[in-house]
Amino acid sequence: DQQVKQNSPSLSVQEGRISILNCDYTNSMFDYFLWYKKYPAEGPTFLISISSIKDKNEDGRFTVFLNKSAKHLSLHIVPSQPGDSAVYFCAASSGGGTSYGKLTFGQGTILTVHP
Amino acid sequence: DTGVSQDPRHKITKRGQNVTFRCDPISEHNRLYWYRQTLGQGPEFLTYFQNEAQLEKSRLLSDRFSAERPKGSFSTLEIQRTEQGDSAMYLCASSPGTDEQFFGPGTRLTVL
Repeated sequence: DQQVKQNSPSLSVQEGRISILNCDYTNSMFDYFLWYKKYPAEGPTFLISISSIKDKNEDGRFTVFLNKSAKHLSLHIVPSQPGDSAVYFCAASSGGGTSYGKLTFGQGTILTVHP
Repeated sequence: DTGVSQDPRHKITKRGQNVTFRCDPISEHNRLYWYRQTLGQGPEFLTYFQNEAQLEKSRLLSDRFSAERPKGSFSTLEIQRTEQGDSAMYLCASSPGTDEQFFGPGTRLTVL
């Protein structure tokens, strides 16, 4: 039962253009969403997050959009840079309570930014 | 470097052997998580500690797996009688109690 899905295994973008990575979830209890970036031989690195009470969060070149009715979120990277090439994971949490903030991850999307 | 550290980074073992991994979280982070990642998948939750108490275990964590966090600092994950299906990247993460988790570089286990 894949509760968080990233349906695009890979994405290729030209440097300077926008990268849009998508993520869908099924569990209505999720109330916090995060994006992580992962380079080979390293652990995931936190990138940006959004609470379910918001529909947009922006941090520099990175913006995350949340559509709760569609159970969909997306990560926009503008402008894309070759150093952004990595695997991007979407993750969701149902916050505190009995889940203790454990993260449920999607399968990841490999982003390649060409110079 | 004050990030999460894991040791060893790589472990090759023969089927049936026991292995133990160590995780040192960011100091003063009271939450510690273990995840497992296989090829082409995202990390999957294994277990969670709040200080020294293990508060949740995934059903992925069979009886051959045990985790400890004595004194609420570093943590160990032991796998007994390893199987080829245990081959994966084992990731440790810590958190100060916020929603963001900070991951270590992982331990890659290969069971021959």
